[in-house]
Amino acid sequence: NAGVTQTPKFQVLKTGQSMTLQCAQDMNHEYMSWYRQDPGMGLRLIHYSVGAGITDQGEVPNGYNVSRSTTEDFPLRLLSAAPSQTSVYFCASSRGAGGEWETQYFGPGTRLLVL
Amino acid sequence: AQTVTQSQPEMSVQEAETVTLSCTYDTSESDYYLFWYKQPPSRQMILVIRQEAYKQQNATENRFSVNFQKAAKSFSLKISDSQLGDAAMYFCAYRSGETGANSKLTFGKGITLSVRP
Repeated sequence: NAGVTQTPKFQVLKTGQSMTLQCAQDMNHEYMSWYRQDPGMGLRLIHYSVGAGITDQGEVPNGYNVSRSTTEDFPLRLLSAAPSQTSVYFCASSRGAGGEWETQYFGPGTRLLVL
Repeated sequence: AQTVTQSQPEMSVQEAETVTLSCTYDTSESDYYLFWYKQPPSRQMILVIRQEAYKQQNATENRFSVNFQKAAKSFSLKISDSQLGDAAMYFCAYRSGETGANSKLTFGKGITLSVRP
């Protein structure tokens, strides 16, 4: 049971390049989310999904796209990277059925540097 | 919108002593969950403890316990018998429990805890 996995661990991009951050979970969780962590800002929600085929915007969605074609995978796409997107990105999942299932489990993070 | 405030950016504790990390939140909801997450230098986000708002009893997990004051909207974390491995950044987080709410976590800005040997 791998939990939540993210790839790559670290990436350097040039301004204007595109890339996809991968996230996968093997816990059959319905809810998946992407957060970014910046110094002094805590974690902020970018996009989330309540199930396959359903996504919605979070607090800071601009510059990012997501899709959820399967329960397991929730990739985050940067279409044209900007230096402001330099951050650490976390993917999280939860079963989401209420009660104890409300706990979110996080992946190890992807550190992104945009030059 | 809900907000979470961690007003102390840094704290320090002597090994084997007790430390309390503060967190306050603002919400108009009656059903919600509160969490403390630990982030060591590895950056992995690790769940420390959770509290359901409908439960009056404070949650406890080994050396970690919370003081949940619903009326005051306060949710502090107490770490007893502090160990060197407790040194990390700690985040307080809120999640709505309302029907139809999404799984969004609202985080505080975090507090860096150092442990002195």
